[in-house]
Amino acid sequence: EVQMMESGGGLAQPGGSLRLSCAASGFTFSNYGMSWVRQAPGKGLEWVAGLSRNSVGTYHADSVKGRFTISRDNSKNTLYLQMNSLRVEDTAIYYCAKENGASSGYYEHFQLWGQGTLVTVSS
Amino acid sequence: DVVMTQTPLSLSVTPGQPASISCKSSQSLLHSDGKTYLYWYLQKPGQSPQLLIYEVSNRFSGVPDRFSGGGSGTDFTLKISRVEAEDVGVYYCMQSKQLPRTFGQGTKVEMK
Repeated sequence: EVQMMESGGGLAQPGGSLRLSCAASGFTFSNYGMSWVRQAPGKGLEWVAGLSRNSVGTYHADSVKGRFTISRDNSKNTLYLQMNSLRVEDTAIYYCAKENGASSGYYEHFQLWGQGTLVTVSS
Repeated sequence: DVVMTQTPLSLSVTPGQPASISCKSSQSLLHSDGKTYLYWYLQKPGQSPQLLIYEVSNRFSGVPDRFSGGGSGTDFTLKISRVEAEDVGVYYCMQSKQLPRTFGQGTKVEMK
């Protein structure tokens, strides 16, 4: 069974840092692009960042560029999101999502989603 | 960014009746490769989103055939032929022709 399990969420202060992880199983992780998508409380969906299967192609939304960094470790079947300089507006559920193909970004779509991890930024 | 506009934002449907959701994009989603990069997702209450339709009209694996997608260019529609109780939730359209990938605001479907 294909599964993605996010972890690392929690409470952080404005200006603080968190590192999210997404452990994948049930598919050949190294063959697929992966992304992070977030959802603020009671709001819609916002794509945050994505990277290709070999990490050559990486993309970050303007709202997080320079503060968040997506990465992966194919030997551990794990996707990461390093979140620095957190802002109150980063408060959201963060989902990891498996792309339909090897890249991430143009012409791809999110085929499967994890259950999400909640990040709350508050003083 | 490509703006995705969904209507209506909420829909109350009688079980067994049809339902339709519109999604309009601010730019054409038709690519020179002949594909149109428009997708539909459903987020059931308390769950993560799930893929329903890819590239306008293709049902993802396991999606019931009461769901159908159509449209072209900038105007798209998701139709449910006979709504069932398990179809409640928020439906989102999404484009991936341009970065950043963007979603519609969501359409909340509930049962009457």
